[in-house]
Amino acid sequence: RKEVEQDPGPFNVPEGATVAFNCTYSNSASQSFFWYRQDCRKEPKLLMSVYSSGNEDGRFTAQLNRASQYISLLIRDSKLSDSATYLCVVTTPTDSWGKLQFGAGTQVVVTP
Amino acid sequence: DAGVIQSPRHEVTEMGQEVTLRCKPISGHDYLFWYRQTMMRGLELLIYFNNNVPIDDSGMPEDRFSAKMPNASFSTLKIQPSEPRDSAVYFCASSLGGKWGYTFGSGTRLTVV
Repeated sequence: RKEVEQDPGPFNVPEGATVAFNCTYSNSASQSFFWYRQDCRKEPKLLMSVYSSGNEDGRFTAQLNRASQYISLLIRDSKLSDSATYLCVVTTPTDSWGKLQFGAGTQVVVTP
Repeated sequence: DAGVIQSPRHEVTEMGQEVTLRCKPISGHDYLFWYRQTMMRGLELLIYFNNNVPIDDSGMPEDRFSAKMPNASFSTLKIQPSEPRDSAVYFCASSLGGKWGYTFGSGTRLTVV
């Protein structure tokens, strides 16, 4: 079983709509959680950290559910520029401090 | 802040040749990571350094791959000899530690023919 699993999609979303997707992680000791965004043929970029209480950054909302071991990302009022692959990332204390585990990514396609 | 700088951006080489990829991390970041990304396998961690010391190289596919970090501002990933299956995008990233996420370089797109 992979340590971090994501639905690869694609999630086809009309412009202006809301889209949400999850990521599950296998290690219950995981502590730090992130969402990265990767545009086609570009490097991954940190979108937002995910905090236990949930957090919002503009149109983006991230949630953490420790009991069920998943994190979620919700995008409201989708823009064409939100089309990208969203990578779920976790780190655990059993790994060395710096090591992050990346999911394979969820592709989001926002259509006009 | 110039970000993580990788060179070259693109590299096309013939099978059997030596390839050297270069990375300059963000100043002050004490972790440096080398990743490889392909459509089939996604992002794979090859090796990472902490304070210039290799910590985990379990992701290095085989002895043909080697990485060095002679100082805090420079790292190399070398493939010798290269093979077509090494074709991928190689990313370097640096960090203050896992808690703070990574900053990736723009990557080197390697094609081995």
